[in-house]
Amino acid sequence: DVKVTQSSRYLVKRTGEKVFLECVQDMDHENMFWYRQDPGLGLRLIYFSYDVKMKEKGDIPEGYSVSREKKERFSLILESASTNQTSMYLCASRQVAPRDTTNEKLFFGSGTQLSVL
Amino acid sequence: AQKVTQAQTEISVVEKEDVTLDCVYETRDTTYYLFWYKQPPSGELVFLIRRNSFDEQNEISGRYSWNFQKSTSSFNFTITASQVVDSAVYFCALSKPGGYNKLIFGAGTRLAVHP
Repeated sequence: DVKVTQSSRYLVKRTGEKVFLECVQDMDHENMFWYRQDPGLGLRLIYFSYDVKMKEKGDIPEGYSVSREKKERFSLILESASTNQTSMYLCASRQVAPRDTTNEKLFFGSGTQLSVL
Repeated sequence: AQKVTQAQTEISVVEKEDVTLDCVYETRDTTYYLFWYKQPPSGELVFLIRRNSFDEQNEISGRYSWNFQKSTSSFNFTITASQVVDSAVYFCALSKPGGYNKLIFGAGTRLAVHP
């Protein structure tokens, strides 16, 4: 089974801190994604990465950056955390078609609930 | 622009009732994929189904069934004889095919099934 692991389930940080959210996948997937989930808004894409060292902004990249130095790891960075970044953060990975035998579905981690005080 | 609307924020049913979760989408693409994901209390979204825009056949998987209608841009999900384990948040999503395309999610519908 594909496994996507997020380093922390719950995280509490203070305003202004630099925050790192880590995500690791074990299936050699090319694509990786960071979403944030907020009530009433669903999942919104922050950043995604096609492959190592490649990244592209999603719909809400402001206040975030990412790093993909190795294929299996995709990090989300909050340079200076703010209270409006309190949210559930979900990482996902996906194999690239046509080698994708799982119909382009995303595999998700369990999420990191970040609270910024 | 692509958009997915799940108008039902929360649904509450009693076990064994049938329940339908609505999903309406907007896209200008002629080729696209539609998905349903389930998010149980553990937090990890679980893939349920993908439907290609060229395939309008309805699909049934056990107690789950999906009704795809291009004419109304809808991809509704029905759970027959609901069970407590079906309690979760359900997301509908839309994407273009290809490895460089992102999924657009709806806001989700929280389903509570009571014994």
